[in-house]
Amino acid sequence: QVQLQESGPGLVKPSETLSLTCTVSGGSISSYYWSWIRQPPGKGLEWIGYIYYSGSTNYNPSLKSRVTISVDTSKNQFSLKLSSVTAADTAVYYCARGLGVTAIPVGYWGQGTLVTVSS
Amino acid sequence: QSVLTQPPSVSGAPGQRVTISCTGSSSNIGAGYDVHWYQQLPGTAPKLLIYGNSNRPSGVPDRFSGSKSGTSASLAITGLQAEDEADYYCQSYDSSLSGNWVFGGGTKLTVL
Repeated sequence: QVQLQESGPGLVKPSETLSLTCTVSGGSISSYYWSWIRQPPGKGLEWIGYIYYSGSTNYNPSLKSRVTISVDTSKNQFSLKLSSVTAADTAVYYCARGLGVTAIPVGYWGQGTLVTVSS
Repeated sequence: QSVLTQPPSVSGAPGQRVTISCTGSSSNIGAGYDVHWYQQLPGTAPKLLIYGNSNRPSGVPDRFSGSKSGTSASLAITGLQAEDEADYYCQSYDSSLSGNWVFGGGTKLTVL
């Protein structure tokens, strides 16, 4: 059973870059789409973007100018970078995988990691 | 303001049937894109509940069902149980937003 685990700083200063890594275990990162989704405290889900194992990406247009998602197949990991963060970027960040060979529906989720943007 | 509109809350007594609607438009649900539903129990990550409008992943009880018609979709839960109390989200694809996935705003289900 594939498992995903987010890791990274829980506190980021305003204007800095948020960086998270998702480690995939129980399966290969190859042949699948890998996503980042976030959820501000007490609010709903927001798709950030996804990457195919080959490296092709698709980002939420509202975040596109600040987002970079990359993949490291040798480490079975993929990563998120979100630049110029503000308090509005405070959220639980989930890494995820499609149920099958498409990006959605999302069939596998990490447990999520809370990232707070504050000085 | 979410692209997909869900009621903020619904409630029902144990054993009852409840439905949660997800209303979209001609650029998402109405364009024929599939709708997926997720259940988020308090303090946990979302879990896929229904995919492809009406399909249940392995392990999801048949008390949960999904349907789609026109620009809307619905999630129905029959034989309501206390453990069904959670937030529910619909999701689809929107062709007007450059390949964007969209989520509904979420519906809080309270079991009375």
